[in-house]
Amino acid sequence: NAGVTQTPKFQVLKTGQSMTLQCAQDMNHEYMSWYRQDPGMGLRLIHYSVGAGITDQGEVPNGYNVSRSTTEDFPLRLLSAAPSQTSVYFCASSYTPWQPQHFGDGTRLSIL
Amino acid sequence: DAKTTQPPSMDCAEGRAANLPCNHSTISGNEYVYWYRQIHSQGPQYIIHGLKNNETNEMASLIITEDRKSSTLILPHATLRDTAVYYCIVFPQPSNTGKLIFGQGTTLQVKP
Repeated sequence: NAGVTQTPKFQVLKTGQSMTLQCAQDMNHEYMSWYRQDPGMGLRLIHYSVGAGITDQGEVPNGYNVSRSTTEDFPLRLLSAAPSQTSVYFCASSYTPWQPQHFGDGTRLSIL
Repeated sequence: DAKTTQPPSMDCAEGRAANLPCNHSTISGNEYVYWYRQIHSQGPQYIIHGLKNNETNEMASLIITEDRKSSTLILPHATLRDTAVYYCIVFPQPSNTGKLIFGQGTTLQVKP
């Protein structure tokens, strides 16, 4: 019962570097999303996808790209990392956007 | 822009019921009340949701007032593992975006 798997769990980057945060789910969920959580704050939606080939922007999309080539995977790309992107990133999935969502355990990203 | 108000913190003795209140006085007719929790360093976990009737599952009970302006999450026999931040979220159905608006939540401390 893997659920939602995020890799890596921890990452340190230098300003300007690029990287991809991986998210995979094995529940055949159509809906997937990415959130970021900054210290003392609630989660904020970055991007979401309602199915393979379909993505859309959330509340804080700037600096992030996504794609959804398969139902299972929804990677989040930082093209040029900035210190303001230091955060904990959570991926979530569900059958539809309005059903209960399953979250991964997060990727803790620090950008120096 | 959370549409809910929760006390910032609560304590509960182990083995006793934990009653977590939530105010959502501006809730709309198509909005459900969802509860998630976040145990330290983990992703949010779905607990329960409801529209207007009381709901119960293996984790908790949800009591929604008749006017739907407030609700209470009940953990019947709290354990130390229930120590977490609990989020009350109003969420429309259907939703096109799946965007969950996490406020500050209630930090529940279960004490031995």
